[in-house]
Amino acid sequence: AQKITQTQPGMFVQEKEAVTLDCTYDTSDQSYGLFWYKQPSSGEMIFLIYQGSYDEQNATEGRYSLNFQKARKSANLVISASQLGDSAMYFCAMREGQTGGSYIPTFGRGTSLIVHP
Amino acid sequence: NAGVTQTPKFQVLKTGQSMTLQCAQDMNHNSMYWYRQDPGMGLRLIYYSASEGTTDKGEVPNGYNVSRLNKREFSLRLESAAPSQTSVYFCASSDQGWIVNQPQHFGDGTRLSIL
Repeated sequence: AQKITQTQPGMFVQEKEAVTLDCTYDTSDQSYGLFWYKQPSSGEMIFLIYQGSYDEQNATEGRYSLNFQKARKSANLVISASQLGDSAMYFCAMREGQTGGSYIPTFGRGTSLIVHP
Repeated sequence: NAGVTQTPKFQVLKTGQSMTLQCAQDMNHNSMYWYRQDPGMGLRLIYYSASEGTTDKGEVPNGYNVSRLNKREFSLRLESAAPSQTSVYFCASSDQGWIVNQPQHFGDGTRLSIL
């Protein structure tokens, strides 16, 4: 079973509108972290936002916010006021379960977002 | 601001050849990682090194070996390349892999094709 599930292979949004990218996760750990990364067509991976399992407030970073619903095990990324430069692949990731003293990261398969002018 | 540097950026190999992918970071990070990215599969962890002197297998370690040469450098070796290892390889680092909130910083990737 996948630990991180991103059910939307592709999403389209109009420029200046908001868009939500879905992410659900599976873990039995109490302490874990959830991350979103952006991968533009140029290929680099860019860290966007982090949410800890004990954080009570949803994380926000500029136009990015993370809608964290712990009971549902979901960590959706919300991008407000989309821009053409937001067109990219977006990956949800989780760090869980200290193994040998390290939190092991797992990535979802990604969602391709295209922003239309 | 170099961050994480991977060499080479592109490489074509023949089946059975060996190759080492190099990775170096200048952020004084303790933890380093190697991933492969295949279409529709996201990033899959090959090996990681939580700190200098330690290495551990990830999700897909078969066919690979790693060396944590020092705190800065973490190399990935393909001893006998196979077409199934055609992929984009990413190296990443994080300050302290034993702290849950540490994001990873990625290199630009190595595109490897095996014929």
